[in-house]
Amino acid sequence: EVQLLESGGDWVQPGGSLRLSCAASGFTFSSYWMTWVRQVPGRGLEWVAHISPEGSQTYYVDAVKGRFSISRDNAENSVYLQMNNLRADDTGLYYCSNGARDWGQGILVTVSS
Amino acid sequence: DVVLTQSPLSLRVTLGQPASISCRSSHSLVSSDGDTCLMWLQQRPGQSPRLLIHLLSNRDSGVADRFTGSGSGTDFTLKISRVEAEDVGVYYCMQHAHWPHTFGQGTKLEI
Repeated sequence: EVQLLESGGDWVQPGGSLRLSCAASGFTFSSYWMTWVRQVPGRGLEWVAHISPEGSQTYYVDAVKGRFSISRDNAENSVYLQMNNLRADDTGLYYCSNGARDWGQGILVTVSS
Repeated sequence: DVVLTQSPLSLRVTLGQPASISCRSSHSLVSSDGDTCLMWLQQRPGQSPRLLIHLLSNRDSGVADRFTGSGSGTDFTLKISRVEAEDVGVYYCMQHAHWPHTFGQGTKLEI
C-alpha cells in the first residue's frame, strides 16, 4: 500500500521559514517525480514544486521561485520543501504526491501575524 | 501558463443519472510522443485528491468503469455513466504537458 506522510506544517509569521517533509513507502520512490501541491480555500489546487527521480531537475511555480526549495533523499524515501520568506498567501494545505498518482493527507501551513 | 477552464462549476445530479464535466485548455496538451497529458482527479469531502483518469482516458487502478475520460487537443470531458452517492465531491482536470502543471477550478458534484 502506498503511503505518503507529510510533516512539518505549523503557524509562522510572515517572513518566517518552514521545512515540510514527506515520508514515502509502498512504491519505488527513486523512480518517481515527486511533487508538492497546495490547496487554498477559494483558489483550488496549485502545483508548487516538482523534482525528478534522481533530484537533478526541479521546477517551481512562479509564485514561490527564489523562496521555496524542493529536495529529496532517495536513501530515506523522503522529499522535502524548504519554504523561506513566507507570505500570508502561502497559507494552505500542502500535499505531497508522486506526480498526482498518489497523495498524502496534507499538512497545514498558516502564515499570519 | 496553461489555463484549464471547467464547466459547469457546480452540478446537481439524480442518483443513477449520467453526469458530464467539460475541461477546456488554452494550449494543446499533446506531448511530443503523442500522449495527451491530461488527468482527472476526484476530491471527496474532507479527503485528499484521488487520481481517476490519466493520459486522457486511462482509468487508474480500482476506478469504477462508470468513469470515462475523452476528448482531444484542447477539449476534454469526464463522464460518469450512472452517478452513485459516493461520487459526491469536487472534480479537477489537470495538465502536465507544460510547466507549471495546472489544475482546472474544480466542479462540485452534488446529489
